[in-house]
Amino acid sequence: QSALTQPRSVSGSPGQSVTVSCTGTTSDIGANNYVSWYQQHPGKAPKLLIYDVTRRPSGVPDRFSGSKSGNTASLTISGLQAEDEADYYCCSYAGKYTFDVFGTGTQVTVL
Amino acid sequence: EVQLVQSEAEVKKPGESLKISCKGSGDRFTSRWIGWVRQMPGKGLEWMGIIRPDDSDSRYSPSFQGQVTFSVDKSINTAYLEWSSLKATDTAIYYCASRYSAYDPFDYWGQGTLVTVSS
Repeated sequence: QSALTQPRSVSGSPGQSVTVSCTGTTSDIGANNYVSWYQQHPGKAPKLLIYDVTRRPSGVPDRFSGSKSGNTASLTISGLQAEDEADYYCCSYAGKYTFDVFGTGTQVTVL
Repeated sequence: EVQLVQSEAEVKKPGESLKISCKGSGDRFTSRWIGWVRQMPGKGLEWMGIIRPDDSDSRYSPSFQGQVTFSVDKSINTAYLEWSSLKATDTAIYYCASRYSAYDPFDYWGQGTLVTVSS
């Protein structure tokens, strides 16, 4: 099972919007709507941001949103804030034998 | 809510065995799946596999099949990740995380356990 492909880094100024892409295959992202996104600050455990492609857990700001088209999922951060500077990972269900696969990770920098 | 507390950092030599733990508390620990995620130094997250404490049903990523073993002790709400013979390339932070079902995301995470393997 190969990792999902994400850009190594994206950046934006405070208040701008940035989008992180996550490309998979017809066996993972393209096969279901169980795509999630995690945020990880340095030295911290990952935190769930988005699940089931578009849903946000309680407490996650609505400036984080998710979408999917075909084999590619996307995370958009609107109104970028300094505290959004972190690593972001996508994750997709990939079947009943191995369950999940993570993306390669994207470092988001707030300029 | 579920709280996951992992065991402390370990320093081991190549060839040694190791078992790290993830103790859960709170809502319905044994009916949720417990997964393990590796993060090598400066690298991304890697999905290792998952175990369901109720019946020890386990699934391993092909990359980790045969390299590690998952287990649980339901009586003390604890999941384990075990190596029989460590390699230097096993040096990483290992996270446990919890989810409701096969299709759900990991909504609760442990703090991570740093394993260092060096001669």
